[in-house]
Amino acid sequence: ETGVTQSPTHLIKTRGQQVTLRCSSQSGHNTVSWYQQALGQGPQFIFQYYREEENGRGNFPPRFSGLQFPNYSSELNVNALELDDSALYLCASRSGPDRDTGELFFGEGSRLTVL
Amino acid sequence: AQRVTQPEKLLSVFKGAPVELKCNYSYSGSPELFWYVQYSRQRLQLLLRHISRESIKGFTADLNKGETSFHLKKPFAQEEDSAMYYCALSGVNYGQNFVFGPGTRLSVLP
Repeated sequence: ETGVTQSPTHLIKTRGQQVTLRCSSQSGHNTVSWYQQALGQGPQFIFQYYREEENGRGNFPPRFSGLQFPNYSSELNVNALELDDSALYLCASRSGPDRDTGELFFGEGSRLTVL
Repeated sequence: AQRVTQPEKLLSVFKGAPVELKCNYSYSGSPELFWYVQYSRQRLQLLLRHISRESIKGFTADLNKGETSFHLKKPFAQEEDSAMYYCALSGVNYGQNFVFGPGTRLSVLP
């Protein structure tokens, strides 16, 4: 058991709505990253947080935003939802730099459907 | 630009046959290469990384910098190897983001 949990597991929204997805990282993991996985594709990097600050961002528009909290939890927020935002959203954590093995620990994902 | 390609979406082999899952990458620097696997109804998990040079579940992968490849190999496939396999790269510095390939679905037939 990796200890990374995500909620909700499934949700349905309509175009133009906003959504918040949540992740609880493994204890002691200072870095959390979010990925979008469309059907039939590999995970695409959205952004990464280290000690509550964004320190990397992929090719996603500003309506994708995030937060990381001191208790190892984090959020992904998406505003003005579009049909193409329908995907599985994965959260992954990794340990701090002093104990880093380079391994990402993934949650099971939140499947978002936009109608 | 960072990029990972996996040319086969689906690879089917018979049990006991050798298997090779191909991965090529482009990266302007020294990357770390990984193979992640997703078994049915399980989460994505690390299979192996090139710097550890380990054999995990009989799988090995050698980084070929000249050919920018990191192919995954196993001499004798087992049915339990059936899964989705993703090749990924990351920069060597801590915290650099991962780039994943599109994945190859391996189906090992009885």
